[in-house]
Amino acid sequence: QKEVEQNSGPLSVPEGAIASLNCTYSDRGSQSFFWYRQYSGKSPELIMFIYSNGDKEDGRFTAQLNKASQYVSLLIRDSQPSDSATYLCAVSSRNTPLVFGKGTRLSVIA
Amino acid sequence: SAVISQKPSRDICQRGTSLTIQCQVDSQVTMMFWYRQQPGQSLTLIATANQGSEATYESGFVIDKFPISRPNLTFSTLTVSNMSPEDSSIYLCSATTRLQLHVAFFGQGTRLTVV
Repeated sequence: QKEVEQNSGPLSVPEGAIASLNCTYSDRGSQSFFWYRQYSGKSPELIMFIYSNGDKEDGRFTAQLNKASQYVSLLIRDSQPSDSATYLCAVSSRNTPLVFGKGTRLSVIA
Repeated sequence: SAVISQKPSRDICQRGTSLTIQCQVDSQVTMMFWYRQQPGQSLTLIATANQGSEATYESGFVIDKFPISRPNLTFSTLTVSNMSPEDSSIYLCSATTRLQLHVAFFGQGTRLTVV
């Protein structure tokens, strides 16, 4: 059974701070790693994906992957109230559907 | 990214009835999936919709309860059959495209309430 674990939160950070969201996965064969953002009542929206060990940056977002530790994280710099949402970590292997974590609820306090 | 149109966006249905949800993708699709998201929960995969053949169901989901069709590359339907209040959930269509094989995009979802 492939599992993806996330702290459910809520994670509260002040506006302008760095939010750090973490995710671990059980399947060592996993190849692709994704972060989705989901606002209440909306469908998931892709933020970033990462395939290789290390960091990948896109604007205020940085995804970090450590396959040896089976760990992937998302950093949000200069957090804004509009970043308040649930962040879903998802993992897949070659040609397999995504397996999602339960999500971490982030609250950015103005 | 792909634009995925899903309808209806919401419905309230009587128990014992069935609802068919439609999903249309605007670009060249490789794979299509159906997920369920129960209140306060994450996404659970129901099945992979296969073009021209029976869908591949995940453990705990069966064809009699959730029949799925995919008559062509860009269109799929999910039917929730003989509904009970436990089927109240958000149902999401997802697809990957030829340009981004491993990236899944989502439709806006169908919010189903069974009374």
